[in-house]
Amino acid sequence: AQSVTQPDIHITVSEGASLELRCNYSYGATPYLFWYVQSPGQGLQLLLKYFSGDTLVQGIKGFEAEFKRSQSSFNLRKPSVHWSDAAEYFCAVGAGRDDKIIFGKGTRLHILP
Amino acid sequence: AAGVIQSPRHLIKEKRETATLKCYPIPRHDTVYWYQQGPGQDPQFLISFYEKMQSDKGSIPDRFSAQQFSDYHSELNMSSLELGDSALYFCASSLGRRADGYTFGSGTRLTVV
Repeated sequence: AQSVTQPDIHITVSEGASLELRCNYSYGATPYLFWYVQSPGQGLQLLLKYFSGDTLVQGIKGFEAEFKRSQSSFNLRKPSVHWSDAAEYFCAVGAGRDDKIIFGKGTRLHILP
Repeated sequence: AAGVIQSPRHLIKEKRETATLKCYPIPRHDTVYWYQQGPGQDPQFLISFYEKMQSDKGSIPDRFSAQQFSDYHSELNMSSLELGDSALYFCASSLGRRADGYTFGSGTRLTVV
């Protein structure tokens, strides 16, 4: 079965600084990978997803992620964060095309003014 | 574009009562997934349906049951409610169980008092 690990429970960055959130997955073949963002008490918003092709994926709100098979990673990046980016970020993985997706434990992003 | 509709948005029930949550998938989507997200937790997969048949089962308590109807909407029935059932319940839909088409609803917040 697939699994996903987000090593950082909390991340704090200053507004305007760059951001990288880590995500590692476990699955034998190429997984389906997702990043979602969730504000407190709100729903899940899809930032980006990777299924195949170009390993650098562009998403909404200026986010991007890079799939690295050799490292089993799918890290999320943003060159300059805004105070409105403070939220919970979930990495998720699907074990192939016809499968449910499983979420990591999440990383809470805090932004310093 | 039409999205996944969940009703009600908020629900307050007393312990030992019964609750029914509804999910209306995107038109033509034939697969529905249910997730439970406790306070400060990641979304946990409960159960899924494809073409009105249960397709996968996760950590769903025996007190919970679900089904998918002929119009593809789904209902999650929760009996003998406990305080620990208080959570956000998300529904997602896709076409043909494909992970690349996963779309989440806004969720139902259930509070058990």
